[in-house]
Amino acid sequence: QSALTQPASVSGSPGQSITISCTGTGNDVGGYDYVSWYQQHPGKAPKVLIYDVSNRPLGVSNRFSGSKSGNTASLTISGLQAEDEADYYCISYTVSGTGVFGGGTKLTVL
Amino acid sequence: QVQLQESGPGLVKPSQTLSLTCTVSGDSIFSGGYYWSWIRHHPGKGLEWIGYIYYSGTTYYNPSLKSRVTISVDTSKNQFSLNLNSVTAADTAVYYCARDLSGYYFLDCWGQGTLVTVSS
Repeated sequence: QSALTQPASVSGSPGQSITISCTGTGNDVGGYDYVSWYQQHPGKAPKVLIYDVSNRPLGVSNRFSGSKSGNTASLTISGLQAEDEADYYCISYTVSGTGVFGGGTKLTVL
Repeated sequence: QVQLQESGPGLVKPSQTLSLTCTVSGDSIFSGGYYWSWIRHHPGKGLEWIGYIYYSGTTYYNPSLKSRVTISVDTSKNQFSLNLNSVTAADTAVYYCARDLSGYYFLDCWGQGTLVTVSS
């Protein structure tokens, strides 16, 4: 299974909104509503932000939102803050019953 | 509060077997119907899902690693383990254990991670 495609980097200024895409195929992202998003700061374990495409766990800021259209899932972060600077990963369920991550996106807050 | 902690050798020789254990506290592996997972992070690269074990013992593995991976559970110690055989330098990574609430990668609780280096 091939890794899902994410942009290597995105950037934005404090207060702005940014969107990170995660593109797969009909055998993963497009075929199931099982996409999760993770935030990872350097040297730390990942933290779940979104599960099942658009659900936000308790305790996660409502500045984070998820959506999907066709074979592409998206994570939107609104009201960017300095603490949002991190790496972001998507992961999707696949037709083989296993998981595949995206390559990761580095977010820089200018 | 659920906590997970990885343990095992930080250095493994090429062609040998990498063995890690994840100790779970604050929850029983057999109580909630969760999926107990292993994920790794290659230095300077992205995350890779290795596989998980359901509390019943059923396992699912990344197809690219399936021929070399075994995930098992020790019921008496509330631990689950990862064995990866025939390792090469490409297996050098930080290895994380995590709890998956649904089996669809809702990984709500993670260990701190442990670096395993494959080198002679």
